Amino acid sequence: GAGVSQSPSNKVTEKGKDVELRCDPISGHTALYWYRQSLGQGLEFLIYFQGNSAPDKSGLPSDRFSAERTGGSVSTLTIQRTQQEDSAVYLCASSLRGRSVAGELFFGEGSRLTVL
Amino acid sequence: GQNIDQPTEMTATEGAIVQINCTYQTSGFNGLFWYQQHAGEAPTFLSYNVLDGLEEKGRFSSFLSRSKGYSYLLLKELQMKDSASYLCAPSGGYNKLIFGAGTRLAVHP
Repeated sequence: GAGVSQSPSNKVTEKGKDVELRCDPISGHTALYWYRQSLGQGLEFLIYFQGNSAPDKSGLPSDRFSAERTGGSVSTLTIQRTQQEDSAVYLCASSLRGRSVAGELFFGEGSRLTVL
Repeated sequence: GQNIDQPTEMTATEGAIVQINCTYQTSGFNGLFWYQQHAGEAPTFLSYNVLDGLEEKGRFSSFLSRSKGYSYLLLKELQMKDSASYLCAPSGGYNKLIFGAGTRLAVHP
């Protein structure tokens, strides 16, 4: 597609429920990143994919968080047993480059998660 | 460890020049990015420095000193639409950008 697409744009859920957030990166971009941004805060790195593998998942806050990427394209971020502190905007970004070469990250509009 | 430090807020007048400073400490370094983020929107790319010195792009310029762990973003001829958050993001291994909390810039008439 023309840009990074994320869905849903808004999700309201009850504490304890599971949620899935989807990211469709720019076609041909091999690198994919998930970030989280709480209100008024900076972007917090969660996980990085190169192709379908995740060489860096150091930012996942707990084992309730998991992510996968299939076909070197779409990625899903799953949060199990959501807690109120999980409320944030979850941003996905993709890039042509990864590994040791820096490249511009293109961000999606984000999925705003509210846990009641 | 990793640490990015930039001012929380700045104000400036339309037509003026403003410099936003950033100091950083990261493990691994592949260059430094500046992103702009308007409220409620996704961050958008402004500039990238990998070598020491100044990179100029229209009204925006960015400077890097790798030895000092220091960068700045210079915005000239400020416009009202420049009111936004400016995010300093050094790139580490795997092109992982580590973002600072950002500097909220308010441009006044």
